[in-house]
Amino acid sequence: DGGITQSPKYLFRKEGQNVTLSCEQNLNHDAMYWYRQDPGQGLRLIYYSQIVNDFQKGDIAEGYSVSREKKESFPLTVTSAQKNPTAFYLCASSDFGQSITGELFFGEGSRLTVL
Amino acid sequence: EDQVTQSPEALRLQEGESSSLNCSYTVSGLRGLFWYRQDPGKGPEFLFTLYSAGEEKEKERLKATLTKKESFLHITAPKPEDSATYLCAVQAHFNKFYFGSGTKLNVKP
Repeated sequence: DGGITQSPKYLFRKEGQNVTLSCEQNLNHDAMYWYRQDPGQGLRLIYYSQIVNDFQKGDIAEGYSVSREKKESFPLTVTSAQKNPTAFYLCASSDFGQSITGELFFGEGSRLTVL
Repeated sequence: EDQVTQSPEALRLQEGESSSLNCSYTVSGLRGLFWYRQDPGKGPEFLFTLYSAGEEKEKERLKATLTKKESFLHITAPKPEDSATYLCAVQAHFNKFYFGSGTKLNVKP
């Protein structure tokens, strides 16, 4: 079945460590996104990519980095510069086509906890 | 300022007790309004897309409607399995989505 796979589901990190969250999609979507979800808040955009080898910062990009070397993959690295990384991270993709309108499809999420 | 506000934050219903969830928005150039269902510890699951005022979509016990300033998610005769957080999102510009903070629905048997 087509979908978005995120791994790992749970991740624990010590302060000062970088960690990478994986996101793979087999929906053949051009656009991919990373969101952060905190209790009581709406989803906030970290980074997005419309095409391979291109990506743009979202609203809260500081302390994060991404790459888009393949259409199917959009990994997110949470660096030690991110001051409050404990959160639920969601990867999404979308196929806008010619209408430039389209829903986001989400993965199951990765919960990162800093010890 | 573009924003999306959902109300109430939490809603407790008895099984069979119908109600509505609200999503009000202030964005310029609305391209689409989306409803999602999110279960604890899971990613949001897509429910509906609405594009223009007056549009309605239905799926089982759920019905979504849209006006120029808000959307409603009507839940008719809910069951305990409808318990979840319902998220509203608005697409304002290409690749720009604004999310509300959600309504947590609890349906008691």
